[in-house]
Amino acid sequence: DIQMTQSPASLSASLGETISIECLASEGISSYLAWYQQKPGKSPQLLIYGANSLQAGVPSRFSGSGSGTQYSLKISSMQPEDEGDYFCQQSYKFPFTFGSGTKLEIK
Amino acid sequence: QVQLKESGPGLVQPSQTLSLTCTVSGFSLTSYSVHWVRQHSGKSLEWMGRMWSDGDTSYNSAFTSRLSISRDTSKSQVFLKMNSLQTEDTGTYYCARNYDNYFDYWGQGVMVTVSS
Repeated sequence: DIQMTQSPASLSASLGETISIECLASEGISSYLAWYQQKPGKSPQLLIYGANSLQAGVPSRFSGSGSGTQYSLKISSMQPEDEGDYFCQQSYKFPFTFGSGTKLEIK
Repeated sequence: QVQLKESGPGLVQPSQTLSLTCTVSGFSLTSYSVHWVRQHSGKSLEWMGRMWSDGDTSYNSAFTSRLSISRDTSKSQVFLKMNSLQTEDTGTYYCARNYDNYFDYWGQGVMVTVSS
């Protein structure tokens, strides 16, 4: 199975700050990568797919980048509603696998 | 609008079988695949399997022969059956619609506890 190593495990950011979350795949995944946001008690929501395509309705302050084995999610100008857990997911090979998550909080 | 809703028992005894139903609306099961994903309370997400739009299935080998996914298109329902449950199967189970091998709509999830 492809292992997805996500970092950092937790992050504290000030309002308006730009933050990045990284995901490292154990082998090349050719940009078959998504990012999800999950708020407490809610189901995950798709933010980014195909490494850099913004899902409809997601604010433009979210962006994704990367290639090969290294990918990142950037949030430009942290907002209060951005607090939550973030997960990456690869769809290059079955079984689809997820990163272990990043908890993002407001400082 | 697109909706998915999981239902099933909240408590299952060890070694017993878990049966969950995902009822969908706003789209057809013959046009979209539906996945099952579970989440342990510690956060990690695990892809379990997929019901393809043509009725075929794919499974995570981690569940080997324990897992079965089926559907009833007339009722817009996808079913998950998993036997030989253990305490480590405790978690929240989600169904999610496929979008290019990602998950664009998720159900609210159903929490399952395996305990005697």
